[in-house]
Amino acid sequence: SQQGEEDPQALSIQEGENATMNCSYKTSINNLQWYRQNSGRGLVHLILIRSNEREKHSGRLRVTLDTSKKSSSLLITASRAADTASYFCATDWSQAGTALIFGKGTTLSVSS
Amino acid sequence: GAVVSQHPSRVICKSGTSVKIECRSLDFQATTMFWYRQFPKQSLMLMATSNEGSKATYEQGVEKDKFLINHASLTLSTLTVTSAHPEDSSFYICSARKLRGKSNQPQHFGDGTRLSIL
Repeated sequence: SQQGEEDPQALSIQEGENATMNCSYKTSINNLQWYRQNSGRGLVHLILIRSNEREKHSGRLRVTLDTSKKSSSLLITASRAADTASYFCATDWSQAGTALIFGKGTTLSVSS
Repeated sequence: GAVVSQHPSRVICKSGTSVKIECRSLDFQATTMFWYRQFPKQSLMLMATSNEGSKATYEQGVEKDKFLINHASLTLSTLTVTSAHPEDSSFYICSARKLRGKSNQPQHFGDGTRLSIL
């Protein structure tokens, strides 16, 4: 079963603007990961944040995690047309390293 | 970086045909691989967990006789859709972890297989 919900479901912005996507989940987690999927392709891992971390940066990406609210956000700064894709959060709830449970995803469109 | 190769990328075949999809970890050993299914504009749904040398673990609602999984080596897992029907048309994606039992490791995904049953 799916773990989380992302919002918004779809987001359209102009190049140079920032894009913020949110993810909520239901159970306790070991870590939360964000993935990107270009249309018709597999997933590319963007960033992993552990349950004891609150914020993490990677290039133009900033991820926050609030375990008390069971939510996470992904911020893409200075967006580019090439950032157009679907973004999914995925939770890893088990120490044993089981399968990820994916949220429904946010479709981001960046126009130039 | 780690690479997972999935083959074929696209299959179009007639109803009743069995289709085999391969998932290979190219530069690491994967004791565990996962098979997901994705319908258009939807998220990934886990179908089964494939463990090298043992039987796969299927998620509730996934027919193990319909979706045969074989993980015969540390670098290869296969998913066979037996007697495929139009409702089996979907995007199938595999992923692999580097180490068994280790959390805080990202999964590496194949590029997916688009299966279309006529």
